[in-house]
This record gives sequence, structure tokens and C-alpha cells, in this order.
Amino acid sequence: AQRVTQPEKLLSVFKGAPVELKCNYSYSGSPELFWYVQYSRQRLQLLLRHISRESIKGFTADLNKGETSFHLKKPFAQEEDSAMYYCALSESQAGTALIFGKGTTLSVSS
Amino acid sequence: DSGVTQTPKHLITATGQRVTLRCSPRSGDLSVYWYQQSLDQGLQFLIQYYNGEERAKGNILERFSAQQFPDLHSELNLSSLELGDSALYFCASSNRGRRELFFGEGSRLTVL
Repeated sequence: AQRVTQPEKLLSVFKGAPVELKCNYSYSGSPELFWYVQYSRQRLQLLLRHISRESIKGFTADLNKGETSFHLKKPFAQEEDSAMYYCALSESQAGTALIFGKGTTLSVSS
Repeated sequence: DSGVTQTPKHLITATGQRVTLRCSPRSGDLSVYWYQQSLDQGLQFLIQYYNGEERAKGNILERFSAQQFPDLHSELNLSSLELGDSALYFCASSNRGRRELFFGEGSRLTVL
């Protein structure tokens, strides 16, 4: 069965420091990977998806099939990045449900 | 607001009771997903409907059931409630052929 693991429950960094939120997955096929973010008092929303290969709000994530990882990175954290981040996996067929990791709370302080 | 809407926002009830949570998907979205968010389990997928038909089942208990109506809104029924059912229940919707899910604000259920 597919599984998404986010090993850190909480990650605390100082403003301007690099950030890496870890995500590992297990899936036998070709999954699509996503990062979702939930800011305080806001609904869960898509941050980025691996097939887009884009940078959103300074965040990037590269799918490493050899290591089955999809870590989220940002070179310089900002206080407004403080939020809960979820890594999610979708099976290769469109319209299937996302399987989420347990989430990592990122806290950025000045 | 044409986003996903969920009612009620908050619900407090007693053990053994039954509640119904309601979700209206984004305009045009045919798929509806239900998730349960608890502190220790994160976001757990419960069930998915597509255009009125059940599409996929996750970790949904037998005490829970759901349906999607012809107007595409969905209801999640939780019965014989236990303390452990206290959680935030999210509904999400998606468009055909796309994998991005759009989430509602959630319904917070407290079972006393």
C-alpha cells in the first residue's frame, strides 16, 4: 500500500535560515507528489506539485525516485512561511484520492 | 464564494449519537473526498465519490457512511459516536482529469 512519511512533526528555524521539510513515500507505480500548506485560520491549499517543476513562494521540491523522496526546500525562510505542511501522493490515475503524510509544522522566528 | 463549503463549522454532541456533515463542492467539480484530521493521525482519507458513485474507500469505519446527491453535494454520516471520533472533518473536491484537491474549511466535531 502507498504511504507517505514526514519524519518531523515540528521544524523551528530562524528567519533567513534554509529550510528543508522531508517527505518520503512508498509506492510501486509512478505517483504524482504534492505539497499542501495550511496557514493559520486558512484552508488547506496546494503549494506545489512535482510535475510543474516550479517555484512557489520561493519553495521548490524535487522528486527523487531513487530515494523515493520529495523534500520541500527554501533557501531563506520568512516568518510568513510559518504553517503546517503536508506532503501528499496520488496514484497515477487522475481523479484518485490523495494520501497525505502526518504533516510538519514549520515555525519561523525572528 | 464558489469554493468548497462545509456545514456545520462546529458540532458538539454526546457519545452514542449520530451526526451528519454536509459538503458542497466547487462549481463544476464532480469528485468529492472526505478526510478526517486528528492530532495523532494527520489527514486520513475516508471516502471518495464521483458524480454520485462511490469511487474509492480509505480508512472509513463501518459506523460512518457517505453519499453524493444528484446536485453533487455530499453528506458524511457518523453514527454511534465515540470519544475518539472527535476530529476535524474535511471535504475536498476536484475537477475531472485533475489531481489538485480544493478543500473546505472543515467541520470540527467534538464528542463528549
